[in-house]
Amino acid sequence: DAGVTQSPTHLIKTRGQQVTLRCSPKSGHDTVSWYQQALGQGPQFIFQYYEEEERQRGNFPDRFSGHQFPNYSSELNVNALLLGDSALYLCASSPDSLNTGELFFGEGSRLTVL
Amino acid sequence: DAKTTQPNSMESNEEEPVHLPCNHSTISGTDYIHWYRQLPSQGPEYVIHGLTSNVNNRMASLAIAEDRKSSTLILHRATLRDAAVYYCILRDQQGVKTSYDKVIFGPGTSLSVIP
Repeated sequence: DAGVTQSPTHLIKTRGQQVTLRCSPKSGHDTVSWYQQALGQGPQFIFQYYEEEERQRGNFPDRFSGHQFPNYSSELNVNALLLGDSALYLCASSPDSLNTGELFFGEGSRLTVL
Repeated sequence: DAKTTQPNSMESNEEEPVHLPCNHSTISGTDYIHWYRQLPSQGPEYVIHGLTSNVNNRMASLAIAEDRKSSTLILHRATLRDAAVYYCILRDQQGVKTSYDKVIFGPGTSLSVIP
């Protein structure tokens, strides 16, 4: 049973460009959350998707947007990249939005903005 | 915005017990206490969670204070593989469909295990 998979694992972009990161949740999970983790810090909540809708959002600008597909996979899009967007982007899935149990995290996509 | 406070770092000798503390003085009645850990170059992984009673699983034990304002993650025998950043987080579940689950991570405790 595959866990949460993310792609790409590493990528390099330049300021002003746009990036799309992808996440496939664990089998049977319909809720996907995205986090940004800067070096040396804890993950910061970006947003959560459930039933193809953005359910909750953290304190991130509109440059950060997402999408969830009918198969529950998800994309994170970041426009007009800034140097400060360099981070590890983590995807986490859970069985449903009311789950009080564990979140399953992928290994992340490491984004470097030059 | 983290609602928990943890020491920045701790050290333990291999094969000795480790007690990782967490303070959450503003915890609400519907907050579950979760612990995750993050090994180098990996995403966080679930360790344990609880609401009011102490909990045990194959990885660790969770001791929750009677007033729920603090908790302790207990690793019974630290191994080198336990060297990681440990996060104590609160998850609010009010049991209605529109209830949010905005998980907030703090900086966590970096645990070093000495051989």
